[in-house]
Amino acid sequence: GIQVEQSPPDLILQEGANSTLRCNFSDSVNNLQWFHQNPWGQLINLFYIPSGTKQNGRLSATTVATERYSLLYISSSQTTDSGVYFCAVPSSKRAGSYQLTFGKGTKLSVIP
Amino acid sequence: DAGITQSPRHKVTETGTPVTLRCHQTENHRYMYWYRQDPGHGLRLIHYSYGVKDTDKGEVSDGYSVSRSKTEDFLLTLESATSSQTSVYFCAISVGRNNEQFFGPGTRLTVL
Repeated sequence: GIQVEQSPPDLILQEGANSTLRCNFSDSVNNLQWFHQNPWGQLINLFYIPSGTKQNGRLSATTVATERYSLLYISSSQTTDSGVYFCAVPSSKRAGSYQLTFGKGTKLSVIP
Repeated sequence: DAGITQSPRHKVTETGTPVTLRCHQTENHRYMYWYRQDPGHGLRLIHYSYGVKDTDKGEVSDGYSVSRSKTEDFLLTLESATSSQTSVYFCAISVGRNNEQFFGPGTRLTVL
């Protein structure tokens, strides 16, 4: 099956700093999602981004499908950005198959 | 909020007892999923459903069964709980033509 690798596994930032999280995947995909799991365990949808670039406030994401990676940018980080960031891609190319394979996540800690 | 609820939110049980977790959605979506989350593993798919009475196995299905007798409810059953099934369980749905997944709040299960 498809492999998803995220880097770095852990990241500590001073409040106000910028960061880039990376997601590599082993096969071509037609779907990619980024999620934020907050310290209370809730999974929050950040982006649906199979290709191209999207921005939402201080967060943006870019997926280069042909090179099999996606990047999540966090600018001017805040303590509320702390948590674990996951990327996920379809597990199969089979028509009608929408299951996701997740990376192991990047744990972000933003300190005041 | 994609209208997903999970019950119970927390449960402690003993090895060998049956346990059923419930996922309920209010928006009539066809696809529903059960994932488990364990430290160091991200989220892994247990089972999924593509319609009433239509289910299939995921990556880590051993020891679990599911049922979907109506669109809004997807049940996950641990027929004889083991300590290795201590985990956080998330339900998800696919929404829209992109089949973007949204997650419920999770159920923390402890098997003693």
